[in-house]
Amino acid sequence: QSVLTQPPSVSAAPGQKVTISCSGSSSNIGHNYVSWYQHLPGTAPKLLIYENSHRPSTISDRFSGSKSGTSATLDITGLQTGDEADYYCGTWDTSLSGAGVFGGGTKLTVL
Amino acid sequence: QVQLVESGGAWAKPGGSLRLSCAASGFIFGDYYMSWVRQAPGKGLEWVSYISGTSHYTNYADAVKGRFTISRDNAENSVYLQMNSLRAEDTAVYYCARVRYFDGPQDSWGQGTLVTVSS
Repeated sequence: QSVLTQPPSVSAAPGQKVTISCSGSSSNIGHNYVSWYQHLPGTAPKLLIYENSHRPSTISDRFSGSKSGTSATLDITGLQTGDEADYYCGTWDTSLSGAGVFGGGTKLTVL
Repeated sequence: QVQLVESGGAWAKPGGSLRLSCAASGFIFGDYYMSWVRQAPGKGLEWVSYISGTSHYTNYADAVKGRFTISRDNAENSVYLQMNSLRAEDTAVYYCARVRYFDGPQDSWGQGTLVTVSS
């Protein structure tokens, strides 16, 4: 059971928009910045969003993030088949002595 | 550019030991925290441990506390994970990652190294 809660899967058609949610508590999301990662099997995970809503310069502006209270969301617009991957939210948890925590991951299928 | 290359993954028996290494390049290694994250077969990402740039601060997930030890050699631009008393549930791909700043994002990752623990 992961500390952060994500839906196991989401799906949408090419060109559409999808939203992935991440729910936590006051000791993790409510207290720290949230990051989002994209992971294709057999490859290195990639940082998509940091500090809740900032994108590294190499990441497309089709990816955006936000945070409100103890929840965060990742939006992906203009879906492409290449976006099919697992997506994870992550942060740090003060109630776990500052340990890192991740969501269980969300499998995105582009229909 | 930032490059992280893990090595040392192998098969081990329950109760055995392994030492993972991660060679870093493309940045001033000693300026960054480094972490280890793992992914068990069919499971999600699980944070394992981190170490500060000066090695003064370390932290571990409860699942590995007392069994795993993280260390680094800034002269060699490398971070290590000594894994003792291995259990079947430690079977996973282990990734090293650069932490942008304390409590910050893990902004660069290696390709991972596979650890299999079975009898």
